[in-house]
Amino acid sequence: QVQLVQSGAEVKKPGASVKVSCKASGYTFTSYDIIWVRQVTGQGLEWMGWMTPSSGATGQARMFEGRITMTRDTSISTAYMELRGLTSEDTAVYYCARATSADYWGQGTLVTVSS
Amino acid sequence: DIQMTQSPSSLSASVGDRVTITCQASQDIDLYLNWFQQKPGKAPTLLIYDASNLATGVPSRFSGSGSGADYTFTITSLQPDDIATYYCQQYVDVPVTFGGGTKVDIK
Repeated sequence: QVQLVQSGAEVKKPGASVKVSCKASGYTFTSYDIIWVRQVTGQGLEWMGWMTPSSGATGQARMFEGRITMTRDTSISTAYMELRGLTSEDTAVYYCARATSADYWGQGTLVTVSS
Repeated sequence: DIQMTQSPSSLSASVGDRVTITCQASQDIDLYLNWFQQKPGKAPTLLIYDASNLATGVPSRFSGSGSGADYTFTITSLQPDDIATYYCQQYVDVPVTFGGGTKVDIK
């Protein structure tokens, strides 16, 4: 069965970076895009960007330009999302999902930014 | 960016009631519309894809319809397990955008 398993919760100081991983199984990793979505507690879903694992091509929402890097390691079917210059407003649960249509989701990674 | 206006933002209904949620896009999204269910503390799960197709394993009391810029999600008979927040999502173009969500609870 399709599964996306994300790395564990992180606590970071303002100005730091965080790198979240998303390991795919149950399908051919290079056949579907991976998207990243975040959710601040009590708020809605915010699309951050996408990556095509077969080529490494990426695209991101304007508000994250210059701060986000999405990469992958196809040998271990894992996608990564790194967010730099963290502020308290980046405290959220970060999700990876398969394909632009988001048919399967990871369990989420809570990132807490606090001094 | 395509804006998704979802309504209502919350609703309260009785078990067995018919529940309807609407989502209006700021332009024609050509059926590239999904509906998700999210329970507290959990990741969203796909219920309806391409506006009207039931995802695998989803009960038939859930349905979707619509075209162009206007879409509707229906629960024909609300069950206690349906307590959740529901989101629409357009994916015809990037950035992918979501509606603001509808929180459904039992009266």
